[in-house]
Amino acid sequence: EVQLQQSGPELVKPGASVKMSCKASGYTFTSYVMHWVKQKPGQGLEWIGYINPYNDGTKYNEKFKGKATLTSDKSSSTAYMELSSLTSEDSAVYYCARGLITTVVAVDYYAMDYWGQGTSVTVSS
Amino acid sequence: DIQMTQSPASLSVSVGETVTITCRASENIYSNLAWYQQKQGKSPQLLVYAATNLADGVPSRFSGSGSGTQYSLKINSLQSEDFGSYYCQHFWGTPWTFGGGTKLEIK
Repeated sequence: EVQLQQSGPELVKPGASVKMSCKASGYTFTSYVMHWVKQKPGQGLEWIGYINPYNDGTKYNEKFKGKATLTSDKSSSTAYMELSSLTSEDSAVYYCARGLITTVVAVDYYAMDYWGQGTSVTVSS
Repeated sequence: DIQMTQSPASLSVSVGETVTITCRASENIYSNLAWYQQKQGKSPQLLVYAATNLADGVPSRFSGSGSGTQYSLKINSLQSEDFGSYYCQHFWGTPWTFGGGTKLEIK
């Protein structure tokens, strides 16, 4: 059974950084990219970027470059996201999600097929 | 960036009714579109990928259609467990943006 277990809630001060984790199980960690998605309270979803644990390659939404840093550890099948220089705008739930790629007639189609339970980050002094 | 305009923003329906949610992309996304369901306080769950393919375990009352810039998610004979929020997301050229969401409520 595929599972993505995320780390617990964080209360952090403005200007600080936070690093959260997403531990994968039930599949080969290096065979799928891992996406990260932000959801502010009562709002929609925002794609942050993904990491390919096979080669540590990353792709970021330009909006989150300099804010989010994605890393992974193959030995523990864990993906990480660090958020820096936190402000109140960073208060949100952050999800990790496994990247699905399906090839149909030589065309790749993407989706996020398994999601973690989310990590709540509250930025407050 | 490709903009995804989802409509309606909210919908109040009764159990047993059929609903259609639409997503319009600001440019052709060549069917690289997924739909997700999110219940209150829970993580999103994948319903449809590649515009028309149901994800594993998704009931057949859900169906996806569309091409080019216009896509739809149809739910036949709504069940009580179908209420929640629905989001589309494109995967054609990053950033892979989501629609604004549709909140499906019980009438």
